[in-house]
Amino acid sequence: EAGVTQFPSHSVIEKGQTVTLRCDPISGHDNLYWYRRVMGKEIKFLLHFVKESKQDESGMPNNRFLAERTGGTYSTLKVQPAELEDSGVYFCASSQDRSGKLFFGSGTQLSVL
Amino acid sequence: GDSVTQMEGPVTLSEEAFLTINCTYTATGYPSLFWYVQYPGEGLQLLLKATKADDKGSNKGFEATYRKETTSFHLEKGSVQVSDSAVYFCALSEARSYNTDKLIFGTGTRLQVFP
Repeated sequence: EAGVTQFPSHSVIEKGQTVTLRCDPISGHDNLYWYRRVMGKEIKFLLHFVKESKQDESGMPNNRFLAERTGGTYSTLKVQPAELEDSGVYFCASSQDRSGKLFFGSGTQLSVL
Repeated sequence: GDSVTQMEGPVTLSEEAFLTINCTYTATGYPSLFWYVQYPGEGLQLLLKATKADDKGSNKGFEATYRKETTSFHLEKGSVQVSDSAVYFCALSEARSYNTDKLIFGTGTRLQVFP
């Protein structure tokens, strides 16, 4: 069974540019989450999809971040325009149920220069 | 708000040593508690969990007991191996979030085990 895959693994962009991160969850997992770890700090929740619907987006930092999950399969997270403080590791996770057992991807390391 | 505090690393041990990584939490209500582990180059994976007070989660020789009186969930292993070298994250699931299993993580503790 394939795990959660994220693309790209690394992205280096300049301030003001746009970046789109992609996440492919485990097949059949309705729940999809985005998390972010900034500068070695704690991993923080960004948002949660159930199928194609946003269940909880309380962790999205501002309107420069846009997440989509069209068709309830893969998800994208777009940052436009990127700022220096957006640098960090963006994790995607999926789950089959609500038990708290999440399957994480290996993350996208985003560096904004 | 709810939060998790875990000991700073790195924790450096010799193989077969005893491991303790401390984790305490602040929460309203009765959260579920988790330990996740991230091996080099991989995503986080669930190591163990406990859903109510006095429950003990265990997996791969690791154990943690949900202590409500001390609001703690310390991770222990009796004899570590080099293959246990990883970053360990303590986390809780907000008890009042009935519509989501949003996890709140600690900052992570890096464990390095040498032969």
